[in-house]
Amino acid sequence: GNSVTQMEGPVTLSEEAFLTINCTYTATGYPSLFWYVQYPGEGLQLLLKATKADDKGSNKGFEATYRKETTSFHLEKGSVQVSDSAVYFCALLPFSGGYNKLIFGAGTRLAVHP
Amino acid sequence: DTGVSQDPRHKITKRGQNVTFRCDPISEHNRLYWYRQTLGQGPEFLTYFQNEAQLEKSRLLSDRFSAERPKGSFSTLEIQRTEQGDSAMYLCASSGQGHQETQYFGPGTRLLVL
Repeated sequence: GNSVTQMEGPVTLSEEAFLTINCTYTATGYPSLFWYVQYPGEGLQLLLKATKADDKGSNKGFEATYRKETTSFHLEKGSVQVSDSAVYFCALLPFSGGYNKLIFGAGTRLAVHP
Repeated sequence: DTGVSQDPRHKITKRGQNVTFRCDPISEHNRLYWYRQTLGQGPEFLTYFQNEAQLEKSRLLSDRFSAERPKGSFSTLEIQRTEQGDSAMYLCASSGQGHQETQYFGPGTRLLVL
C-alpha cells in the first residue's frame, strides 16, 4: 500500500542552522510528493511539490528532491529562522486515475531558537 | 483567489449533540476533500467530491457522519450524536480537475466534544 514515514520530532535548532527533515515513502507507480507546513492553530499550507523523479521543489529557501531510487523526499533549508517554527508534513498523491486522496506522514515539529 | 474558507473555526459541543461544518472551496475548483487530523498526527482522508458527486468515502466515516455538496460549490460535514472521540481538527481542501492536482487547504474547524 501507500505510506509516508517522516523522522520523529521535535527538531530543535538555533537560528541560521541547517535543516534536514527526512521523508521516505512507499507507493506503486509514480506518485506526486508534497511538503505542507502547519503553523500553530492553522490549516496546512503547501510549501513545495515535485511530480516526477529527479524534480526539485523549492520555495522560501526550502528544497526537496524527488529520489525514486531511494524513495525519499527530504526537506532541507540552508539557514532556518525563528519564523520557520511549525509542523512539517510530507505527503504523497498516488498515481492512479481517480485516486485523489493525499497520504500524510505523522508530521515533524520544528522549533527554532534565537 | 480568496482561498478555501471554513466555518466555524472552533466548535465546542456536548456529547450527543449534532454539529455541522461548512467549507467554501476555491471558486474554480470542482474537487473538494474532507480530512480529519487528531493531535500529533497527520491528516487522514474522510471523503471526496467531484462537483456534487461524492465519489469516495473512508472507513473512518461512520454512519454518524454525512457530507454533502448540493450544488457543486460549498460543502457541509455533519456529525450526529457526537462522541468524545470525534474531537479533532476537520480540514477541507479543494483542487482542480487535472491529474494529480495540488490540493489547497482551508484553516480547519477545531471540534471539542465534552
